[in-house]
Amino acid sequence: GAGVSQSPRYKVAKRGQDVALRCDPISGHVSLFWYQQALGQGPEFLTYFQNEAQLDKSGLPSDRFFAERPEGSVSTLKIQRTQQEDSAVYLCASSQQGGDPEAFFGQGTRLTVV
Amino acid sequence: LAKTTQPISMDSYEGQEVNITCSHNNIATNDYITWYQQFPSQGPRFIIQGYKTKVTNEVASLFIPADRKSSTLSLPRVSLSDTAVYYCLGRSNAGNNRKLIWGLGTSLAVNP
Repeated sequence: GAGVSQSPRYKVAKRGQDVALRCDPISGHVSLFWYQQALGQGPEFLTYFQNEAQLDKSGLPSDRFFAERPEGSVSTLKIQRTQQEDSAVYLCASSQQGGDPEAFFGQGTRLTVV
Repeated sequence: LAKTTQPISMDSYEGQEVNITCSHNNIATNDYITWYQQFPSQGPRFIIQGYKTKVTNEVASLFIPADRKSSTLSLPRVSLSDTAVYYCLGRSNAGNNRKLIWGLGTSLAVNP
């Protein structure tokens, strides 16, 4: 597609439920990033992929968070046993190479845990 | 990666030039200064990046003095549609990790 696509746009989960958030990066982009953005805050880094390799997962807040990009294109961020503090917008971004100045962001998935 | 400080909010009027200054006292030699714009319910959008002196594109200009401890994003003749949050980031070219460290940004309100 023309841009980074994320789905779903909105997700409401009951506390304790597992969720999966999908990111379709721009075709051919090597680098893929996940960020978490709380209301009124800047995005916070979660994890980074170069092709299928997860090179940095230092931002994942707990072992309930898991991300994968098995074929080096589509990525999934999974959150197990969701908690209320997981409520946020989850942003995905991609770039041609990790060193590119411009990262292209999707519109995000707004997760609300009730 | 550089920690950046910028004003929380700014107000302007249509047609004015807006300058948003960002402080990055501890910027590393390898860090570039990158600015993003974010509208409500949208992902951030890249505006401009620079290392030193002045960079200009069709959207904005970026001024970085010789000591690189600050930078100024200049938006010429703003319109209502420029109302957004603007983020200044230090971005390292070192290593494989290109993650960006975001602050709170500057919320710019353009009034009619």
